[in-house]
Amino acid sequence: NAGVTQTPKFQVLKTGQSMTLQCAQDMNHEYMSWYRQDPGMGLRLIHYSVGAGITDQGEVPNGYNVSRSTTEDFPLRLLSAAPSQTSVYFCASSYVSGISGNTIYFGEGSWLTVV
Amino acid sequence: KQEVTQIPAALSVPEGENLVLNCSFTDSAIYNLQWFRQDPGKGLTSLLLIQSSQREQTSGRLNASLDKSSGRSTLYIAASQPGDSATYLCAVGPYGNKLVFGAGTILRVKS
Repeated sequence: NAGVTQTPKFQVLKTGQSMTLQCAQDMNHEYMSWYRQDPGMGLRLIHYSVGAGITDQGEVPNGYNVSRSTTEDFPLRLLSAAPSQTSVYFCASSYVSGISGNTIYFGEGSWLTVV
Repeated sequence: KQEVTQIPAALSVPEGENLVLNCSFTDSAIYNLQWFRQDPGKGLTSLLLIQSSQREQTSGRLNASLDKSSGRSTLYIAASQPGDSATYLCAVGPYGNKLVFGAGTILRVKS
């Protein structure tokens, strides 16, 4: 089991460029999500998905797009990179179990710098 | 809007000491609370999950408590070891991945 795999690990972008952060999980989890982690602010939810074909916005969705065409993959697209998007990005997945919650598995993160 | 605060922001203790990390949240209408560990340059690892109907959970040297009415949770680490050095984050949520995180407590255990 690879768990949650994120690529790339490190990326430097110029302002205005676009790119896609990849996330894949091999645990057949329904839930997938993207968070960003900034110093002193904890993790903040960008977008999430409860299953293939279903996505929704989190706390900080502006400047990002997602899609969920398969259960396994949940890519995050930066449309036009800005320095404010310099951050560490984490993808996470879990089973759906109603409202009781489940163990969440995180990827190892993608460090993005926008210059 | 739910806000989660963790105190202290950083903690340095000698090996063998028992310690308590604190987490508070503003909206008591939560379904669960989770504690995570994050090592430098790594992702998060779930340590303990407390359902809203539970008061505490234990795993080895770790014990987490939850008091919904006061909006507080504590993570107790017994007999701390250098390998416990990491950032500890708490998060509250309705369900699934939709969590609100605190900023974390950076723990250093000195040998």
